[in-house]
Amino acid sequence: AQSVTQLGSHVSVSEGALVLLRCNYSSSVPPYLFWYVQYPNQGLQLLLKYTSAATLVKGINGFEAEFKKSETSFHLTKPSAHMSDAAEYFCAVTPTGTASKLTFGTGTRLQVTL
Amino acid sequence: EAGVVQSPRYKIIEKKQPVAFWCNPISGHNTLYWYRQNLGQGPELLIRYENEEAVDDSQLPKDRFSAERLKGVDSTLKIQPAELGDSAVYLCASSPLAGVPNEQFFGPGTRLTVL
Repeated sequence: AQSVTQLGSHVSVSEGALVLLRCNYSSSVPPYLFWYVQYPNQGLQLLLKYTSAATLVKGINGFEAEFKKSETSFHLTKPSAHMSDAAEYFCAVTPTGTASKLTFGTGTRLQVTL
Repeated sequence: EAGVVQSPRYKIIEKKQPVAFWCNPISGHNTLYWYRQNLGQGPELLIRYENEEAVDDSQLPKDRFSAERLKGVDSTLKIQPAELGDSAVYLCASSPLAGVPNEQFFGPGTRLTVL
């Protein structure tokens, strides 16, 4: 069975500071990994996905994530936070070969302060 | 391109009452998903359709939940009777092709409050 663990339910950064949201996965087979963002009262939007190609994945809005098999991690980063980045972020995993059954983490709420 | 449409956006009912949620996926998307998102949690899959066939409903509480996808387009999720624990956001998503690592497109959700 696949699962993801997001460390830190709340993360607060200053505007302009580095954003680091942590995600560790557990999978018996090579996984596909995703990061989604959810703004208040909205659905989830895909930020980026890892599908066994390049281990460093670039997404929208300046976000990127690196797949590290040795650490079973897929942490999300952004060099400089913007106020508009404040949202809930979800890491998700699915077995290789299909994106049909996503298993989501519990989410990390990002707060950006002035 | 229009996104996934869900209605209603909010619903407040008393326990034991029935409730229904409607979803219109993105045109041409043959895979449709219903998720439930409890407060402070990630979404959990309830049911997945490939066209009009429910191919994964293992997490759907079948004693009170039902779903249908007529003609492989719109879908309705029903709860009858609702319980207090059903309060959550119900999300619908669609994707154009199963079996590949494609993106799932989510609607805004229906926030259900059961009193």
